[in-house]
Amino acid sequence: RKEVEQDPGPFNVPEGATVAFNCTYSNSASQSFFWYRQDCRKEPKLLMSVYSSGNEDGRFTAQLNRASQYISLLIRDSKLSDSATYLCAVLGSARQLTFGSGTQLTVLP
Amino acid sequence: NAGVTQTPKFQVLKTGQSMTLQCAQDMNHNSMYWYRQDPGMGLRLIYYSASEGTTDKGEVPNGYNVSRLNKREFSLRLESAAPSQTSVYFCASSEGISSYNEQFFGPGTRLTVL
Repeated sequence: RKEVEQDPGPFNVPEGATVAFNCTYSNSASQSFFWYRQDCRKEPKLLMSVYSSGNEDGRFTAQLNRASQYISLLIRDSKLSDSATYLCAVLGSARQLTFGSGTQLTVLP
Repeated sequence: NAGVTQTPKFQVLKTGQSMTLQCAQDMNHNSMYWYRQDPGMGLRLIYYSASEGTTDKGEVPNGYNVSRLNKREFSLRLESAAPSQTSVYFCASSEGISSYNEQFFGPGTRLTVL
């Protein structure tokens, strides 16, 4: 079993839709959690950190469920510019960041 | 500030050739990292340097060596390239390796080994 697993998609959604991604992790000792965005042929960029209480940044909401060992990302009112690959990342006890393989999102006009 | 820079952007090697990928950051960060990204595999950590003067193996270190030349620069060397090392290589840096330090990535080096 991979340490961090994501549904690869692709997710194709119309503009204005709400879309949610999940990411599961296997190491219960994992300490910190992140969502990165990666545009085609570009480097990953941090979208948001995921805190235990859940956090929101505009149209984006991230949540952590330690009991079930997953994190989620919710995007409301999708824009064309949200089209990208979304990578979850988990910081383990060895202070190493482990990435999921990414979920591809395409927002359609 | 340029952030994290990497050279070269593209490289084609023949099996058995060697090369060094260069990475530099101008954010005065303590920690630096090398990842590779393959289709369907996500990013995998090759080596990292928590601070100047230290380096540690990541998930996939075999076939690679690294040098933390100074606080700014962290290079990755392939001594004898193999087709399995065809990948996109990303360098990253962060203030430190603690929980909340964001990693900033360079633009990547696309390497093909024939």
